[in-house]
Amino acid sequence: QKEVEQNSGPLSVPEGAIASLNCTYSDRGSQSFFWYRQYSGKSPELIMFIYSNGDKEDGRFTAQLNKASQYVSLLIRDSQPSDSATYLCAVAGGLGTSYDKVIFGPGTSLSVIP
Amino acid sequence: EAQVTQNPRYLITVTGKKLTVTCSQNMNHEYMSWYRQDPGLGLRQIYYSMNVEVTDKGDVPEGYKVSRKEKRNFPLILESPSPNQTSLYFCASSPTGWGTQYFGPGTRLTVL
Repeated sequence: QKEVEQNSGPLSVPEGAIASLNCTYSDRGSQSFFWYRQYSGKSPELIMFIYSNGDKEDGRFTAQLNKASQYVSLLIRDSQPSDSATYLCAVAGGLGTSYDKVIFGPGTSLSVIP
Repeated sequence: EAQVTQNPRYLITVTGKKLTVTCSQNMNHEYMSWYRQDPGLGLRQIYYSMNVEVTDKGDVPEGYKVSRKEKRNFPLILESPSPNQTSLYFCASSPTGWGTQYFGPGTRLTVL
């Protein structure tokens, strides 16, 4: 079982719609959860981080964390063509030897259609 | 400007020829890390360092070496590169292992 899983996509949504990206993780002790955006040929950049159960909103982005279900999601409201990118879920602060490791999921490719 | 720099950005080499990819950060971060990114596999952590002289293996350390003699620098060494190390490599730094990773621009390595 992969430690961090994401739907690889591609996920296509029309401009103005809500894009929903999902991520599950296997280490129940994980403490920190991140969403990075990566444009083709570029390095990843942070979109959101979340540490506590519930929702966290920042502009058009909302991260949702459910530690009991080991599930974290990213919602993008009013999707724009400039949101077209690969979205990487990352998990850190796991149990034991995983404490200082950062585990990334394989990424979900999002395409926003004008 | 706060940044992570990597050199070289592109490198084509041959099997067995030792190489070093440099990484430097100017944010006084404790934590530095190397990743490789391959299609369909995402970012995989090679090695990480929690502080000077403290390093540990990530998920794919085989064939790589690192050292952390200064806080700002974290070079990645391939003693005897092989074609399966052809990849896109990213260096990142963070205030802590749990924190936001700040990535360098990437180094695209091809081993023939």
